[in-house]
Amino acid sequence: QKEVEQDPGPLSVPEGAIVSLNCTYSNSAFQYFMWYRQYSRKGPELLMYTYSSGNKEDGRFTAQVDKSSKYISLFIRDSQPSDSATYLCAMTLGAGNMLTFGGGTRLMVKP
Amino acid sequence: GAVVSQHPSRVICKSGTSVKIECRSLDFQATTMFWYRQFPKQSLMLMATSNEGSKATYEQGVEKDKFLINHASLTLSTLTVTSAHPEDSSFYICSARESRGAQETQYFGPGTRLLVL
Repeated sequence: QKEVEQDPGPLSVPEGAIVSLNCTYSNSAFQYFMWYRQYSRKGPELLMYTYSSGNKEDGRFTAQVDKSSKYISLFIRDSQPSDSATYLCAMTLGAGNMLTFGGGTRLMVKP
Repeated sequence: GAVVSQHPSRVICKSGTSVKIECRSLDFQATTMFWYRQFPKQSLMLMATSNEGSKATYEQGVEKDKFLINHASLTLSTLTVTSAHPEDSSFYICSARESRGAQETQYFGPGTRLLVL
């Protein structure tokens, strides 16, 4: 079993839809959680960074962490075709520790 | 967010030649940088951790003599693919870790596409 599980998709939604992307993990010691967006043939771009449980909002994006369930989510409101990319979750124990990535979910937003 | 650059963005070389890829953190200092490899439609695979002023730490299965890493300054790490072969063709991405107090954030470069003929 992988340490971080993420459905590879592809997830196809119409423009304007609310998108929910999720990851589950097995190590309850993870403290910091991130979401990266990767366009085709580009490096990953940091979207959201959260510490411990709770929600964090930034524009159309909301990151949610539920440590009791070992489950994190990224919600995208009013999705746009430009949101079409692969979304990677990542998490770490804390300072000095490695990032552990999910396998990525490919999202396609159709006009 | 912080910026990490990579050069070159794309390189095509003949089998047997060596290729050097540079990774720079442009607006912060990074004592630790990472090198990843990514095949089409697959996730990132960590190759090695590069620490400024010391030897890199390689992941299991990654040949240190084939993938030479140098991290001579706080803003520059280089990956040299020695005697490249077609199976080394891949997308190589570096990242740099920025530390601000207790918070550490990893920023990625735009990647280098290597094609070995």
